[in-house]
Amino acid sequence: LAKTTQPISMDSYEGQEVNITCSHNNIATNDYITWYQQFPSQGPRFIIQGYKTKVTNEVASLFIPADRKSSTLSLPRVSLSDTAVYYCLVGAYNQGGKLIFGQGTELSVKP
Amino acid sequence: ETGVTQTPRHLVMGMTNKKSLKCEQHLGHNAMYWYKQSAKKPLELMFVYNFKEQTENNSVPSRFSPECPNSSHLFLHLHTLQPEDSALYLCASSPARGGGENEQFFGPGTRLTVL
Repeated sequence: LAKTTQPISMDSYEGQEVNITCSHNNIATNDYITWYQQFPSQGPRFIIQGYKTKVTNEVASLFIPADRKSSTLSLPRVSLSDTAVYYCLVGAYNQGGKLIFGQGTELSVKP
Repeated sequence: ETGVTQTPRHLVMGMTNKKSLKCEQHLGHNAMYWYKQSAKKPLELMFVYNFKEQTENNSVPSRFSPECPNSSHLFLHLHTLQPEDSALYLCASSPARGGGENEQFFGPGTRLTVL
């Protein structure tokens, strides 16, 4: 299973764009890249998933370079309610349900 | 509301007690999971069930006993727990057993305190 590395914490202000980068040097051909968000005392919530290039949904964008050894989650115009822990995960279907959560990035959005 | 419910939301138990955590999903999924999250630590996968069959036991101590009577319900039976078992226990489900590309839907968790 590919290991992921992301910053432990980040600070931002309301209205700013936040980019969280995750390194996954050992990503395999079958692996997808997925980001989850977790608020205190709640379960993680799926944000976005991609395989290569760029993916965008109503919440965020995910940028994946050609070598796929890293990925960047982009949150446009964050608000206080975006304060949470963000997890980057790498995994493939044939790994049978294994979602390995790392430490995540604790994002703090300030007014 | 993710479509995955867990009861109770909070549980305090002594080391000699026996209790059960319940998870129910209303999403028509076929895979269900138990995770443990201790304070300031990442989630740890405990068990995976696919079509009611256990497919993963991540070296979990026998004082934790899972049960999956059908694809919609998952239980975690607890007995003779230790204080270090105090944590947030999260249940999740997904359309099928999978890793990377199957989105998992998490419940709100049960906050367990072992005295």
